[in-house]
Amino acid sequence: GAVVSQHPSWVICKSGTSVKIECRSLDFQATTMFWYRQFPKQSLMLMATSNEGSKATYEQGVEKDKFLINHASLTLSTLTVTSAHPEDSSFYICSAFSGSHTGELFFGEGSRLTVL
Amino acid sequence: GENVEQHPSTLSVQEGDSAVIKCTYSDSASNYFPWYKQELGKRPQLIIDIRSNVGEKKDQRIAVTLNKTAKHFSLHITETQPEDSAVYFCAALSPGYSTLTFGKGTMLLVSP
Repeated sequence: GAVVSQHPSWVICKSGTSVKIECRSLDFQATTMFWYRQFPKQSLMLMATSNEGSKATYEQGVEKDKFLINHASLTLSTLTVTSAHPEDSSFYICSAFSGSHTGELFFGEGSRLTVL
Repeated sequence: GENVEQHPSTLSVQEGDSAVIKCTYSDSASNYFPWYKQELGKRPQLIIDIRSNVGEKKDQRIAVTLNKTAKHFSLHITETQPEDSAVYFCAALSPGYSTLTFGKGTMLLVSP
């Protein structure tokens, strides 16, 4: 099946720094990618929809200036957590539908962010 | 928008027993219902899915049923094994939205 790869898997940073997470579709082109956030023992909460070549669409309550999304190519979307604070610590997962859009959503491995 | 409710939030069974997780959805236009299994710290993995033109689908020990009239669908796992222990998420895809709406998840614990 389609493969979505995410990097880094783990990141620890100091408060106030920015962290970039990459999401790549390895064997298909993804005009749209999705970024989710998952707190411990909770469900996947959609943060934003990343659209290739255009601005991302953010869900209500998600600060677009805080979580910068760039989808510069059909295989790469990046999420940058700017001026990170401890409350931003979470598991971030990207996903994309395969090119054939069978409806199956493929997930990246996830990135665990810890802000000290 | 679409709203997906999932129950129970936790489910403990003995090895060999069956487990059933139920979900309801709100948008009658939703037409795709996948189930994901997520182990701790890992990405969700699709285990089975069903489309709105089908009432039941089975894959070895796993089955999913869909009742479009009642707008609910269920995951059935038979002969459970300890390695089935994980968090399971149901989801629904509505044509009006670009991505899936997930339920809150069910933590399944299978005791040996």
